[in-house]
Amino acid sequence: NAGVMQNPRHLVRRRGQEARLRCSPMKGHSHVYWYRQLPEEGLKFMVYLQKENIIDESGMPKERFSAEFPKEGPSILRIQQVVRGDSAAYFCASSYTGYGGQPQHFGDGTRLSIL
Amino acid sequence: EDKVVQSPLSLVVHEGDTVTLNCSYEVTNFRSLLWYKQEKKAPTFLFMLTSSGIEKKSGRLSSILDKKELFSILNITATQTGDSAIYLCAVGGSQGNLIFGKGTKLSVKP
Repeated sequence: NAGVMQNPRHLVRRRGQEARLRCSPMKGHSHVYWYRQLPEEGLKFMVYLQKENIIDESGMPKERFSAEFPKEGPSILRIQQVVRGDSAAYFCASSYTGYGGQPQHFGDGTRLSIL
Repeated sequence: EDKVVQSPLSLVVHEGDTVTLNCSYEVTNFRSLLWYKQEKKAPTFLFMLTSSGIEKKSGRLSSILDKKELFSILNITATQTGDSAIYLCAVGGSQGNLIFGKGTKLSVKP
């Protein structure tokens, strides 16, 4: 499958636990973006990463949220001490070049539910 | 503040009808406008527009951009039930991230 791969598809956590969401970009893509989608809301940008670098994290909450895209392996979005308001669909996208030059292609998302 | 506004928010048509979906934007450092189709899962890429007045076409779908008036339209002719989905408009600036509208929910009845 040459598409953007996200896992898990569904993740259930209790308040206070940690959530780790993974994203493997399309083959040949080195630019990764994370978005959050709340019910009845549009997709909201969170963070833009290139290999080993955070390019723009202006959409990501300053506390409890972090993201990385290591030299080897998938990009990880990490949410510590989750709260009910973190329940949402989290989508990852990748592109061949950055800064809007090429379209972003999306994965199927991870649906995070907080009990 | 950057924003993307889509209209209508929802639309119900019958098979065979033609529909026009609208997207207007106010985004600094505009670089591109993209249309996506979202069913149950991943938004699927349809078009990327960067130049005014040049129509992009794929089968029954077409789209055009007006950078002077800051809007785009997505046309779907001879609609089919499989066209039922949420259509998302997004604008990319030079920063790289996309700013999305809330989408237009299209329902095509048989």
